[in-house]
Amino acid sequence: EPEVTQTPSHQVTQMGQEVILRCVPISNHLYFYWYRQILGQKVEFLVSFYNNEISEKSEIFDDQFSVERPDGSNFTLKIRSTKLEDSAMYFCASSEASVGANVLTFGAGSRLTVL
Amino acid sequence: AQSVAQPEDQVNVAEGNPLTVKCTYSVSGNPYLFWYVQYPNRGLQFLLKYITGDNLVKGSYGFEAEFNKSQTSFHLKKPSALVSDSALYFCAVRDLNTGFQKLVFGTGTRLLVSP
Repeated sequence: EPEVTQTPSHQVTQMGQEVILRCVPISNHLYFYWYRQILGQKVEFLVSFYNNEISEKSEIFDDQFSVERPDGSNFTLKIRSTKLEDSAMYFCASSEASVGANVLTFGAGSRLTVL
Repeated sequence: AQSVAQPEDQVNVAEGNPLTVKCTYSVSGNPYLFWYVQYPNRGLQFLLKYITGDNLVKGSYGFEAEFNKSQTSFHLKKPSALVSDSALYFCAVRDLNTGFQKLVFGTGTRLLVSP
């Protein structure tokens, strides 16, 4: 069964450092997403991406965050200058279509720890 | 704005007994509702969804969910629990009327099935 893969599974970084989280979505999917889950809290939407541009983003997704699909297979989330509060599990997801009852397929997540 | 509430942090049930994991939602328009499950070190896996039509939706692994518009609920159920059902369960809603793509998740309910 096709799956979304994410790397790294766990990254530890110092506050102020840049971090890039990588995702390989399912090959025939067109819509890509990043969500995050701070320990013990709800899964929160960050951003959706289609046709090489952001289609929707949340208030969490500020100027410190960016996304990119550099080569047609990878989908990356960059945090330019990490803060302690960025520590969370980051989930990538992809879907065939964006609307209605379309199902998102999630990766296993990348745990980011900011010290 | 749409929101989801999962009032129970944990549900305990004995193997073979029926289980219910509760979810209530709030949207401005018509909801599309989803249940996802997360096993340790895995991504969120889709279980089932409600779009329209029959209020009782059947999904993977013998799970079903009942949509109740008057109570704005979408409780997850299974007639006979298995130890292997122990996992973290997330309810999610998309309000298609807002035109947004994002799924809004609840905080999750940990299901523990004892032998």
